[in-house]
Amino acid sequence: GQQVMQIPQYQHVQEGEDFTTYCNSSTTLSNIQWYKQRPGGHPVFLIQLVKSGEVKKQKRLTFQFGEAKKNSSLHITATQTTDVGTYFCAGPREGGGNKLTFGTGTQLKVEL
Amino acid sequence: NAGVTQTPKFQVLKTGQSMTLQCAQDMNHNSMYWYRQDPGMGLRLIYYSASEGTTDKGEVPNGYNVSRLNKREFSLRLESAAPSQTSVYFCASRGRQGTEAFFGQGTRLTVV
Repeated sequence: GQQVMQIPQYQHVQEGEDFTTYCNSSTTLSNIQWYKQRPGGHPVFLIQLVKSGEVKKQKRLTFQFGEAKKNSSLHITATQTTDVGTYFCAGPREGGGNKLTFGTGTQLKVEL
Repeated sequence: NAGVTQTPKFQVLKTGQSMTLQCAQDMNHNSMYWYRQDPGMGLRLIYYSASEGTTDKGEVPNGYNVSRLNKREFSLRLESAAPSQTSVYFCASRGRQGTEAFFGQGTRLTVV
């Protein structure tokens, strides 16, 4: 069945360092979404990418959608303590409908 | 605007007990979801409802039942709780395909 994997599973960085998480799907995705979950909180939508090769930026966050629409990445420049949390990618579940499949997530910890 | 409301926030059950997790949304969304979150596994879809009166199994439906009696509410029932069902449960809703999902605050369930 469809699998959406993210690497790394965990990442510890010093404040100011960059961070990247990678999302890989076993199937082609029509779109991909990214969510952030703060510790003890619930996932909150960040952005959606639709086009092959698309790049979108939100301040220090850069999101990319692969040319084959099977992978995506989230890059954070100069991390801050407010970036702490778990980042998930999500895409339409194969088989149609409005099901949403989430990746395994990357937990980011930022140390001062 | 409350968004997605889940109850309870915390619950401890003994093995074999039953309980129902409640979820309600006030955004007039057709699609509603139940996910469970376990360390290293991401968010796994338990059940999905495309509209009032319809439900569909997700990745991990065994041991759960759901009910979508109206557009607002989507409940998850554990008939005979098992320790393997210890997890954090999230309800979510969204509108049409390609739009963001909104999550409830989560229910932290422990089965002893």
